[in-house]
Amino acid sequence: AQSVTQLDSHVSVSEGTPVLLRCNYSSSYSPSLFWYVQHPNKGLQLLLKYTSAATLVKGINGFEAEFKKSETSFHLTKPSAHMSDAAEYFCVHNTDKLIFGTGTRLQVFP
Amino acid sequence: DGGITQSPKYLFRKEGQNVTLSCEQNLNHDAMYWYRQDPGQGLRLIYYSQIVNDFQKGDIAEGYSVSREKKESFPLTVTSAQKNPTAFYLCASSRGRTRDNEQFFGPGTRLTVL
Repeated sequence: AQSVTQLDSHVSVSEGTPVLLRCNYSSSYSPSLFWYVQHPNKGLQLLLKYTSAATLVKGINGFEAEFKKSETSFHLTKPSAHMSDAAEYFCVHNTDKLIFGTGTRLQVFP
Repeated sequence: DGGITQSPKYLFRKEGQNVTLSCEQNLNHDAMYWYRQDPGQGLRLIYYSQIVNDFQKGDIAEGYSVSREKKESFPLTVTSAQKNPTAFYLCASSRGRTRDNEQFFGPGTRLTVL
């Protein structure tokens, strides 16, 4: 069965420092991968998606993710965290349905 | 503004009662979905519909029912048969169910059973 693993349930960073949220997916011949963000008591918002074009995908709010087939990874990064980035982040693998990771809660300290 | 609306935002239910959660979209999307979110877990698919008057069970459909009489509307009923209904419910839509079509989410309804 297809699966998605988010390696950290919580990540804490200081404002202005880099963010790294890790995601691994189970092998698929041609994966379709997304990152969504969820602020408290809100719906999910799409940050970016990979659909077999460029391996480095740029998203909204300065986020980007790199698809590495050899490592079956799709890690999310941002060079400089902002307080407003504090939220829950979900890595999602789209097969014939969306398969969600269990989420990573990002805390940003001033 | 195009988007997905869910109502109510908060809902309280007594045990043994059925409740219906509303989901409306004006994105002209064919496919609509209902998810359940519990603390510390990803979203789990309850039901989905790819076209009007048709819908399929997801991974956790027991105790839930849906209808799709109009393209823009996909209400979810949480029945008394659902043993643990307290959760955050999210509705989503997409142009279709192909792999490249991202889903757009509504703001959610938090259901609490008293």
